[in-house]
Amino acid sequence: NAGVTQTPKFQVLKTGQSMTLQCAQDMNHNSMYWYRQDPGMGLRLIYYSASEGTTDKGEVPNGYNVSRLNKREFSLRLESAAPSQTSVYFCASSEGGVLMKAFFGQGTRLTVV
Amino acid sequence: AQSVTQLGSHVSVSEGALVLLRCNYSSSVPPYLFWYVQYPNQGLQLLLKYTTGATLVKGINGFEAEFKKSETSFHLTKPSAHMSDAAEYFCAVSERNNDMRFGAGTRLTVKP
Repeated sequence: NAGVTQTPKFQVLKTGQSMTLQCAQDMNHNSMYWYRQDPGMGLRLIYYSASEGTTDKGEVPNGYNVSRLNKREFSLRLESAAPSQTSVYFCASSEGGVLMKAFFGQGTRLTVV
Repeated sequence: AQSVTQLGSHVSVSEGALVLLRCNYSSSVPPYLFWYVQYPNQGLQLLLKYTTGATLVKGINGFEAEFKKSETSFHLTKPSAHMSDAAEYFCAVSERNNDMRFGAGTRLTVKP
């Protein structure tokens, strides 16, 4: 009964380092999303994947890349981390777009120093 | 693009009192509207959503929201607050199936 699993839960990076945030869902959902949450700004969509093999930019895609490895997994990569990317990152999935109930992971707290 | 404004970043009510969390939206097409709740150190959970049809929507945990097109509002209410309702609440709007925009959130505190 795992739902949406994100790894790692916490990460500290130095400016310029790269890393990949992992996300996996076990509900056979078609759609997956990456959001970032910043104080006073709610959640902002970074990228989404409507189905396996497709990805699209959201509201704030700059500085990020994504890969929909298969139906289960959707990773988010920071190629050269910047302090402005310090945030809490949430992965979510849904059966068919946001109109269907979306399930969220527990988040990854990323600090870039 | 669509957007959401949540009035009041913090709301405090007494246990048993009415909960009212305000949300106004901007959308160029008939919107889909959502309320999500976030408990500390957790992801978001869907409380309720409006797509079409009845404008009064009932959700989990006794919450409901009413879509008022003329006021571009989707306020969340609960008749009687419980201590377990303390959390952060997010209103969201979507014009297209995969692009959902969130408000900044309202932190609800429930006093004993």
